[in-house]
Amino acid sequence: GAGVSQSPSNKVTEKGKDVELRCDPISGHTALYWYRQRLGQGLEFLIYFQGNSAPDKSGLPSDRFSAERTGESVSTLTIQRTQQEDSAVYLCASSLDQARTYGYTFGSGTRLTVV
Amino acid sequence: GENVEQHPSTLSVQEGDSAVIKCTYSDSASNYFPWYKQELGKRPQLIIDIRSNVGEKKDQRIAVTLNKTAKHFSLHITETQPEDSAVYFCAASRRQGQNFVFGPGTRLSVLP
Repeated sequence: GAGVSQSPSNKVTEKGKDVELRCDPISGHTALYWYRQRLGQGLEFLIYFQGNSAPDKSGLPSDRFSAERTGESVSTLTIQRTQQEDSAVYLCASSLDQARTYGYTFGSGTRLTVV
Repeated sequence: GENVEQHPSTLSVQEGDSAVIKCTYSDSASNYFPWYKQELGKRPQLIIDIRSNVGEKKDQRIAVTLNKTAKHFSLHITETQPEDSAVYFCAASRRQGQNFVFGPGTRLSVLP
């Protein structure tokens, strides 16, 4: 596609429910990243996929968070048993090969509200 | 691991004046430094970047300088306009395949 696509754009869920967020990167981009941005805050790294390599999960805040990516296409971020502190905008980004060479392109994000 | 600090956290300037945002990083192996602009409610967008083999890069009204010895880099915006108002994030990438570490952001307000 022309840009990084994320769905849904907004999600309101009850505390304790599971949610699944989707990211469709730019076609041909081998690297995919998930970040979390709380209201008025900076960009918090969650997880990074590069091609078929094992993902870098070092930013995932707890075992309630997981992510998958099929090949070099769509990725899903799953949050189990959501808590109010999970409320944030979840941003996906992709890049052509390594980010240090080409930089990121961000999606519009999914605004998650846990009530 | 890498730590990126950014100052100031907020900055207000009069339209037409210059704005400077500074970042420092901790990992001497970092070699790629992008800057992102995030307007209210929108996604971050890359506005300029610099690699460690270059000391300065300019693109119209924006420029970035890098001092590898001191491990700091700065964003300079000249002739500021109201549409420059946004949050600006610096970032550093220290090794091939690594994700970025972002600074905490600077909220720039350009007053008409």
